[in-house]
Amino acid sequence: ETGVTQSPTHLIKTRGQQVTLRCSSQSGHNTVSWYQQALGQGPQFIFQYYREEENGRGNFPPRFSGLQFPNYSSELNVNALELDDSALYLCASSLAGRSEQYFGPGTRLTVT
Amino acid sequence: LAKTTQPISMDSYEGQEVNITCSHNNIATNDYITWYQQFPSQGPRFIIQGYKTKVTNEVASLFIPADRKSSTLSLPRVSLSDTAVYYCLVGDINSGTSGTYKYIFGTGTRLKVLA
Repeated sequence: ETGVTQSPTHLIKTRGQQVTLRCSSQSGHNTVSWYQQALGQGPQFIFQYYREEENGRGNFPPRFSGLQFPNYSSELNVNALELDDSALYLCASSLAGRSEQYFGPGTRLTVT
Repeated sequence: LAKTTQPISMDSYEGQEVNITCSHNNIATNDYITWYQQFPSQGPRFIIQGYKTKVTNEVASLFIPADRKSSTLSLPRVSLSDTAVYYCLVGDINSGTSGTYKYIFGTGTRLKVLA
């Protein structure tokens, strides 16, 4: 079991609302990545944060945004929720320049 | 980032050795090959990583031929608890201190271990 934690575990939102998901990285890890995993699919890279700045982004619209804090924890914000945003959102932490990522258990978001 | 191709699913029996092959024809010189395991409703878990030849750890072995266009994850003597989805990923891990390394996951191989 990794030291990466995510909250909340489950969340139900209505289309058009906004949501904030939180992640605490493994101790000492300074890089956080976020992934979206739809049912039956592999995780899709959203973006990565290093030293509190976005450092790489996947094919996701600007309404997906994030923050990284000085203690390396992170938030994923999604505005104007759409039904297709329903998925498992995974956070992964790592050391900068190292490829081995440690994933949290995820937050299951349901948009109705 | 190189694209990977894996079998969609595999079945095996307890105690058997399982080999899952991944194709990555466009692998670049700096790319490493990494395998992850994912159980339902959990985040992926790192299994093994390699660049060439053979890598072995307490969980699995990774075989990479000289041309590096494919790789094979070998799980010795699987048990029911090895039932999971296995992902093969390829990417450059030498991203320096900028931390730009990011994974591109495919759909993975769904391994089912039968009693």
